[in-house]
Amino acid sequence: SAVISQKPSRDICQRGTSLTIQCQVDSQVTMMFWYRQQPGQSLTLIATANQGSEATYESGFVIDKFPISRPNLTFSTLTVSNMSPEDSSIYLCSVDRPQGTDTQYFGPGTRLTVL
Amino acid sequence: SQQGEEDPQALSIQEGENATMNCSYKTSINNLQWYRQNSGRGLVHLILIRSNEREKHSGRLRVTLDTSKKSSSLLITASRAADTASYFCATGKAAGNKLTFGGGTRVLVKP
Repeated sequence: SAVISQKPSRDICQRGTSLTIQCQVDSQVTMMFWYRQQPGQSLTLIATANQGSEATYESGFVIDKFPISRPNLTFSTLTVSNMSPEDSSIYLCSVDRPQGTDTQYFGPGTRLTVL
Repeated sequence: SQQGEEDPQALSIQEGENATMNCSYKTSINNLQWYRQNSGRGLVHLILIRSNEREKHSGRLRVTLDTSKKSSSLLITASRAADTASYFCATGKAAGNKLTFGGGTRVLVKP
């Protein structure tokens, strides 16, 4: 399995501000995914991040609100911009590891509370 | 919209009993994966079953897949208090592709 870390593990932010969440993997991966889990809900995919190309966003999510960077094969960031209380969620990154097995492993998540 | 629906939404059992939860989905899939989540933390991967497989086992876990009914089940045998968690199914439509999650089943195992 992959070792995936996320920073920060949790944060409390004021509305109107932005937060950047980091995801670090212990080995190179082609695809990284960002999910959101609203309180008491299941996970919803925000976007797929491939190294060297623009992220692909799911319906209902836009780049201006959730800009994503993927500078190399082991790292990605998700920014939650101009936050409102509705953005309070757990944000999780995931990767396909080992390559080609379809198994997806998840990071520990970032618990965001917006006041 | 979510691909899968899980039932029951919540399940309460005594330690030592078996727990069964079901997942239904709407479109064709390449694989289906089950995850466990403890108290809003990260997801732990439990088992993956491919569309050409019907049953898989891993320790106390048994997963079945019926592609004709577009459904899967997860059985946890001889449950323990440590099995208390939320369980999610997730479907992948293509190899190496994104996952679509079901609503989850909250399992409480009472000692």
